[in-house]
Amino acid sequence: KQEVTQIPAALSVPEGENLVLNCSFTDSAIYNLQWFRQDPGKGLTSLLLIQSSQREQTSGRLNASLDKSSGRSTLYIAASQPGDSATYLCAVKETSGSRLTFGEGTQLTVNP
Amino acid sequence: DAGVTQSPTHLIKTRGQQVTLRCSPKSGHDTVSWYQQALGQGPQFIFQYYEEEERQRGNFPDRFSGHQFPNYSSELNVNALLLGDSALYLCASSFNDWLSEKLFFGSGTQLSVL
Repeated sequence: KQEVTQIPAALSVPEGENLVLNCSFTDSAIYNLQWFRQDPGKGLTSLLLIQSSQREQTSGRLNASLDKSSGRSTLYIAASQPGDSATYLCAVKETSGSRLTFGEGTQLTVNP
Repeated sequence: DAGVTQSPTHLIKTRGQQVTLRCSPKSGHDTVSWYQQALGQGPQFIFQYYEEEERQRGNFPDRFSGHQFPNYSSELNVNALLLGDSALYLCASSFNDWLSEKLFFGSGTQLSVL
């Protein structure tokens, strides 16, 4: 059974700091990995999707990497802003199925 | 272009009642998945509908059932509600999800069971 873990559970940083969020998964047989953002009480917004054959994806100040063999992914946020405050979730899609398995998320607070 | 829409946004029910949640997928999408997200947890997969049939199901009891209509919209039904069913219910749509890329999520229905 696939399990996804995110560390840390919560993170508070001053504005402008660069930061890294971590995600690990137990079964390396994945089809892709996605990072999502969730604002309180809201739905999920997809930030980056990395196919299993890729090593990283970039969008603006966000960079996500994937090391499938070690079961790890990182989300790097450069020059953090208060508007980045949200919960960040990673999810893996299994090769043989269509469901997403999510981690519990990292709650990020960026202080002005 | 409307994204994924869910209704209602909030719902309060009592134990033992039944509830129906609704989802309209993003234009052009034909696959709908439902997820349950308890407070402070990541979403948990309930089931997925494609071509009006349940294609895959997560570890949820038979009290949770669904339906997909010819226009690809979907309903989630929960019978005999328990306090533990209180959660944010999220609908996600995609195109033929077996090989698709990103999922698009709605804003969810917040269900409170008293």
